[in-house]
Amino acid sequence: QSALTQPPSASGSPGQSVTISCTGSSSDVGGYNYVSWYQQHPGKAPRLMIYEVSKRPSGVPDRFSGSKSGNTASLTVSGLQADDEADFYCSSYAGSNNWVFGGGTKLTVL
Amino acid sequence: QVQLVQSGAEVKNAGASVKVSCKAPGYTFTNFYIHWVRQAPGQGLEWMGRINPNSGGANFAQKFQDRVTMTRDTSISTTYMELNRLRFDDTGIYFCARGSTSGFDFWGQGTLVTVSS
Repeated sequence: QSALTQPPSASGSPGQSVTISCTGSSSDVGGYNYVSWYQQHPGKAPRLMIYEVSKRPSGVPDRFSGSKSGNTASLTVSGLQADDEADFYCSSYAGSNNWVFGGGTKLTVL
Repeated sequence: QVQLVQSGAEVKNAGASVKVSCKAPGYTFTNFYIHWVRQAPGQGLEWMGRINPNSGGANFAQKFQDRVTMTRDTSISTTYMELNRLRFDDTGIYFCARGSTSGFDFWGQGTLVTVSS
């Protein structure tokens, strides 16, 4: 199972919006509405930010939103704040009781 | 309050085995799968497999199929991940996470496994 493709880096100034893409195939991202996104600060465990493509768990600000078109999912962070600076990973169910992660995107707040 | 509490750091020789535990107090242990995810130093997340704490059945990523075992002890709400025939590139942080098809909603703090010669 190949990792999902994410850009290695993304950046934006405080208050701006940034979108991170996550490209897979019809066997994972395109085939199921089970895409999730995770934020990981250095030295910490990942935190679930988005599940089932666009749903936010309790406690996640509505500045974080998710979407999907075909084999590509996207995470948009609006109103960037300094604390948003972190690594972001997408994940998708890949069928046959398998899951796959993206390679990760380092988000920098300029 | 949902928590996943993992065992402490391990240092192992190449070729040995390591067993990491993940204790899950604060919710009904048998109602949610536990997944294991690895992160090599400076690298991304890698899904290793999952265990159904109710039945004990497990599924593994093909890459780990012949080297990993996942078990559970329902009496103490704990799952275990054992990786055999350790190689230097198995060095990394191993996370357990509570999960479903929707995503992994609670994570353990991670366990550093170092494989040395």
